[in-house]
Amino acid sequence: EIVLTQSPATLSLSPGERATLSCRASQSVSSGYLAWYQHKPGRSPRLLVYGASSRATGVPDRFSGSGSGTDFTLTISRLEPDDFAVYYCQQYATSPFITFGQGTRLEIK
Amino acid sequence: EVKLLESGGNLIQPGGSLRLSCAASGFTFSGSVMRWVRQAPGKGLEWVSAISGSGADTYYADSVKGRFTISRDNSKNTLSLQMNSLRVDDTAIYYCAKDAWRGFADFWGQGTLVTVSS
Repeated sequence: EIVLTQSPATLSLSPGERATLSCRASQSVSSGYLAWYQHKPGRSPRLLVYGASSRATGVPDRFSGSGSGTDFTLTISRLEPDDFAVYYCQQYATSPFITFGQGTRLEIK
Repeated sequence: EVKLLESGGNLIQPGGSLRLSCAASGFTFSGSVMRWVRQAPGKGLEWVSAISGSGADTYYADSVKGRFTISRDNSKNTLSLQMNSLRVDDTAIYYCAKDAWRGFADFWGQGTLVTVSS
């Protein structure tokens, strides 16, 4: 099983600042089969990025994904109030058996 | 518009059984791998089970294997999860999700709450 470790657990930033979220895999995620989701309390998770760097439909371009192998990053270039949420990475290289990271909580400073 | 609507969540005693359903619309249901993903209180997302478009192939996380059964009725565009021998640590919001391609989910339902407690 590929274990995904996200850091930091909590990130405190102000609107307008840049956020950098990390996701490290216990072994290489082949073909960059890594996705990122945004999850707010009481809401459904929302797909942001797939294939490590492809933005999902309707996702603003301030969200960008990068990385390969075992190290992946989600960057939010200029935080807006609506961006404060929990973010999860997920690998699907071993689909149908998929795994999620434990999440990074992005909170308003 | 893609819609996924879960139902069936409830308060149930340990050892009991519960059946969750997910009504799908707005896409070719039989052509999509479907999944159940759960979130326990204060915890992250955990993949539970997946089923191929035809229903012929099913997959389970080790934590639920032998207790949960995933199924689908493509004539009714419905996904189901039969949960038996429920344990306290099965308490969670259960989401159904549609695979976009190869294992990431592009649409999720709003979730249904299962509480296992005596």
